[in-house]
Amino acid sequence: DAGVTQSPTHLIKTRGQQVTLRCSPKSGHDTVSWYQQALGQGPQFIFQYYEEEERQRGNFPDRFSGHQFPNYSSELNVNALLLGDSALYLCASSLEIEQFFGPGTRLTVL
Amino acid sequence: RKEVEQDPGPFNVPEGATVAFNCTYSNSASQSFFWYRQDCRKEPKLLMSVYSSGNEDGRFTAQLNRASQYISLLIRDSKLSDSATYLCVVRNGGSQGNLIFGKGTKLSVKP
Repeated sequence: DAGVTQSPTHLIKTRGQQVTLRCSPKSGHDTVSWYQQALGQGPQFIFQYYEEEERQRGNFPDRFSGHQFPNYSSELNVNALLLGDSALYLCASSLEIEQFFGPGTRLTVL
Repeated sequence: RKEVEQDPGPFNVPEGATVAFNCTYSNSASQSFFWYRQDCRKEPKLLMSVYSSGNEDGRFTAQLNRASQYISLLIRDSKLSDSATYLCVVRNGGSQGNLIFGKGTKLSVKP
């Protein structure tokens, strides 16, 4: 059983560009959460998707948006990239209590 | 004040040492508590949940004091493989509530 997978592994963008990150949840999991982890910090909650709807949202601007597909996979989109968006973006899937994290996408904004 | 605060670390200890991590949280309505472990450049992984009665898993013991809003993790007989960053985590909502992470405390166990 594959765990949570994310693509791409690494990404380099320039300021002002847009980026899409992808996540496939663990088999059978219907809830996907996204987190941003800046260097030296703990992960910060961006939003959570369930049944293709955004169920919860953290304190992130509207430049951060997402989507969940019928197969429960999810995308995170970030528009108008800023230097401060450079971070590890983690996807976590869950069915009940425990959240399982993917390996993350490391985004560098130049 | 941050919602979850941890010892800044880093902790550098010899093999076999006992090390304790402390954490405080600000929301008295927080319902679930966890310790996650994160290896360098890897994703966080659940180490253990934390219950009011305290719980133990081998060399690891976690304690929760709801009155003081304080969580602890004790590692006994530390191994080289315990070297990692330990993240204190709380969940405020129900079972699908989002996780709120502390900044993490880095542990280095030396031979």
